[in-house]
Amino acid sequence: DAKTTQPPSMDCAEGRAANLPCNHSTISGNEYVYWYRQIHSQGPQYIIHGLKNNETNEMASLIITEDRKSSTLILPHATLRDTAVYYCIVKYTGTASKLTFGTGTRLQVTL
Amino acid sequence: KAGVTQTPRYLIKTRGQQVTLSCSPISGHRSVSWYQQTPGQGLQFLFEYFSETQRNKGNFPGRFSGRQFSNSRSEMNVSTLELGDSALYLCASSVAGTVNTEAFFGQGTRLTVV
Repeated sequence: DAKTTQPPSMDCAEGRAANLPCNHSTISGNEYVYWYRQIHSQGPQYIIHGLKNNETNEMASLIITEDRKSSTLILPHATLRDTAVYYCIVKYTGTASKLTFGTGTRLQVTL
Repeated sequence: KAGVTQTPRYLIKTRGQQVTLSCSPISGHRSVSWYQQTPGQGLQFLFEYFSETQRNKGNFPGRFSGRQFSNSRSEMNVSTLELGDSALYLCASSVAGTVNTEAFFGQGTRLTVV
């Protein structure tokens, strides 16, 4: 699985958009980009995933660059409950359910 | 529908003992994966079971083992516990363990070895 690089921490004001970047410059053609988050002391929670097209669901939007070497997770209106560690994971088709977590980005949403 | 259920939530064991943790996946999910989370190493993949067979294994010693039953429930066992095994153990289930499915995690079992 390709390696990912994320900033260790970010701050965001409540109500503003949180844009979390992820670099995955060694991604290969059949690897997907997944985002999970982990709120303190809870199990990780799936957010969104994509291959090459931008994706949106009720939680967030995922923007993948055309060369697929980086992506951005967007939380459109961050709330205090979005404070968590966000993990960007690149997942190869052949590794079934195995998720390789990096160190993630600790997002702090403040008033 | 009910989420992934892990039992017990908290456990304290003594060095040298063994421990068994349980995971009940979401109904209809056939893939169960286990992860260990420690402050030093982060979240690390232990193994995955699908249809009662271990399909994938992480880089952990043989003291860590698991199994899956015909109803997809899974157990993991750690023998000869060491202080370093203190961690949050997380279980995740998915429909069929293929690339396009998301994993649903339980709340975890926090194991403390003293």
